[in-house]
Amino acid sequence: GAGVSQSPSNKVTEKGKDVELRCDPISGHTALYWYRQSLGQGLEFLIYFQGNSAPDKSGLPSDRFSAERTGGSVSTLTIQRTQQEDSAVYLCASRPDRGNYGYTFGSGTRLTVV
Amino acid sequence: QQQVKQSPQSLIVQKGGISIINCAYENTAFDYFPWYQQFPGKGPALLIAIRPDVSEKKEGRFTISFNKSAKQFSLHIMDSQPGDSATYFCAASSTDGSEKLVFGKGTKLTVNP
Repeated sequence: GAGVSQSPSNKVTEKGKDVELRCDPISGHTALYWYRQSLGQGLEFLIYFQGNSAPDKSGLPSDRFSAERTGGSVSTLTIQRTQQEDSAVYLCASRPDRGNYGYTFGSGTRLTVV
Repeated sequence: QQQVKQSPQSLIVQKGGISIINCAYENTAFDYFPWYQQFPGKGPALLIAIRPDVSEKKEGRFTISFNKSAKQFSLHIMDSQPGDSATYFCAASSTDGSEKLVFGKGTKLTVNP
């Protein structure tokens, strides 16, 4: 596609429920990143994919968070047993390959846990 | 530990004025320093970036100044326009590892007409 697509754009869920957030990167982009943006906190790195592998998961805040990527394309971020502190905008970004730093971000999924 | 510190948190300038946002970093392994612009409801968009082998980079009204010895870099927006009103993030990354970006906390810029 022309850009990074994320769905849903907004998600309201009850505390304790599981949620899945989807990212469709730009076609051909091998690197994919998930970031979390909380109010006034900037962007916090969560996980990095190169192809289908995730060599850097160091930003995942707890074992309730997981992510996968299939076919070197679509990625899904799953949050289990959501908590109110999980409320944030979850951003996905992709770039062509290593050494090419041109990140393209999607518009994000705004997650609200009530 | 916040690896990239950004200031000010908010900035108000008049149309035609100069907007200056500053960032400082700690990790000497960082070798790529981009600035991102974010409008409400949108993802950040790359504005301009610099590597440490140059001290300044200019693209139109936007200039990055880089001071390697002080581990500081700044964004200057010349002739600021109301359309520049947005949140600006500085960031840094290293070619080692995941090349993930470490972001500052952002500066909300308001340009008054």
